[in-house]
Amino acid sequence: EPEVTQTPSHQVTQMGQEVILRCVPISNHLYFYWYRQILGQKVEFLVSFYNNEISEKSEIFDDQFSVERPDGSNFTLKIRSTKLEDSAMYFCASSDHRQGPSGANVLTFGAGSRLTVL
Amino acid sequence: LAKTTQPISMDSYEGQEVNITCSHNNIATNDYITWYQQFPSQGPRFIIQGYKTKVTNEVASLFIPADRKSSTLSLPRVSLSDTAVYYCLVGLNTGFQKLVFGTGTRLLVSP
Repeated sequence: EPEVTQTPSHQVTQMGQEVILRCVPISNHLYFYWYRQILGQKVEFLVSFYNNEISEKSEIFDDQFSVERPDGSNFTLKIRSTKLEDSAMYFCASSDHRQGPSGANVLTFGAGSRLTVL
Repeated sequence: LAKTTQPISMDSYEGQEVNITCSHNNIATNDYITWYQQFPSQGPRFIIQGYKTKVTNEVASLFIPADRKSSTLSLPRVSLSDTAVYYCLVGLNTGFQKLVFGTGTRLLVSP
């Protein structure tokens, strides 16, 4: 079964440092997403990406965040200057927007990258 | 986006059927209902999706009444490995529409 691959699985960084989280979406998928989950809290939407541009972003996704699809396979999330509150699990997801069995889009999530900011 | 309400937690025993109900009173005509499962330290995983009536796959069944203001995820004969958080999401769910996760239902299956 095709899967979304995320690296690194865990990253520890100092406050103020830049972090890049990497994702390899499923190869024929066209829509890409980043979500995050702070420990013990719910999964929160960050950004969606299609056709090399951001489709939608949440209020969490401020100027410190950016996304990029540098080549045909990778999708990255960059945090320019990390803060303590950026500590969370970051999930990448992708979809092909083909309709599922009941007619709506289905997302496939990666296993996540745990970011710890000290 | 329609807001969803689910029980915060449920307990069950191995071999039992578990039914998790989600309320979505403001569901729109074009909205679909999708359930995801999340194990600790893993990403959410698609379980089942429906628009109306009943949908069944190899993992679960989804019951949706005619008014579509609620839906029930049914897990037949749960095992310990079904211990997870289950999320009900409602939306048209096109590629452009974000999925909004609620707090989900934490299911604990005991021996």
